Amino acid sequence: GDSVTQMEGPVTLSEEAFLTINCTYTATGYPSLFWYVQYPGEGLQLLLKATKADDKGSNKGFEATYRKETTSFHLEKGSVQVSDSAVYFCALSDQGYSTLTFGKGTMLLVSP
Amino acid sequence: NAGVTQTPKFRVLKTGQSMTLLCAQDMNHEYMYWYRQDPGMGLRLIHYSVGEGTTAKGEVPDGYNVSRLKKQNFLLGLESAAPSQTSVYFCASSTPGSSSGANVLTFGAGSRLTVL
Repeated sequence: GDSVTQMEGPVTLSEEAFLTINCTYTATGYPSLFWYVQYPGEGLQLLLKATKADDKGSNKGFEATYRKETTSFHLEKGSVQVSDSAVYFCALSDQGYSTLTFGKGTMLLVSP
Repeated sequence: NAGVTQTPKFRVLKTGQSMTLLCAQDMNHEYMYWYRQDPGMGLRLIHYSVGEGTTAKGEVPDGYNVSRLKKQNFLLGLESAAPSQTSVYFCASSTPGSSSGANVLTFGAGSRLTVL
């Protein structure tokens, strides 16, 4: 079945540091890939997405590139802020299916 | 623009009691979902619905029932609550994916349930 594996957290960074959160996936078809973010006390919200190989999703300074050859969708940001502290979830939706499969989430803590 | 609204936000139950979580969305979305979130486990799909009057089992359906009598509402029921059902429950909704297969979920703020 489909699965998503994320690096375990917490990831602790100082403000303005470079961020990478690794995500790899297993899927039977050609999935769409997503990053969702959950701020403290809130529900998840979509951060970015990519629907086919080599697509790059981007939003709020975050980027992720759909790499079919390595089955990866790593999240990056060049300069993190304290306000980026949250839990980040990688997810996939296999083509033709109506549900998402989520990774376990990676907590990011950014200090001033 | 309420989006997805969950009620109640907090609830404490005793083992064996029953309760219903209500999810309402005002975006005319076809698909609705119930997830539970537990530490170290991420989000796990309990049940989902692809349209009014339809429901389907997800990854962890045991101990839960659902109903989708109206398009805008999706109810999650616990008939006999157990401590293992202590969790944060999230409802979400979406439109069907486009031809590219994307399926973007809008989540509610969550309902924290404690079973003693």
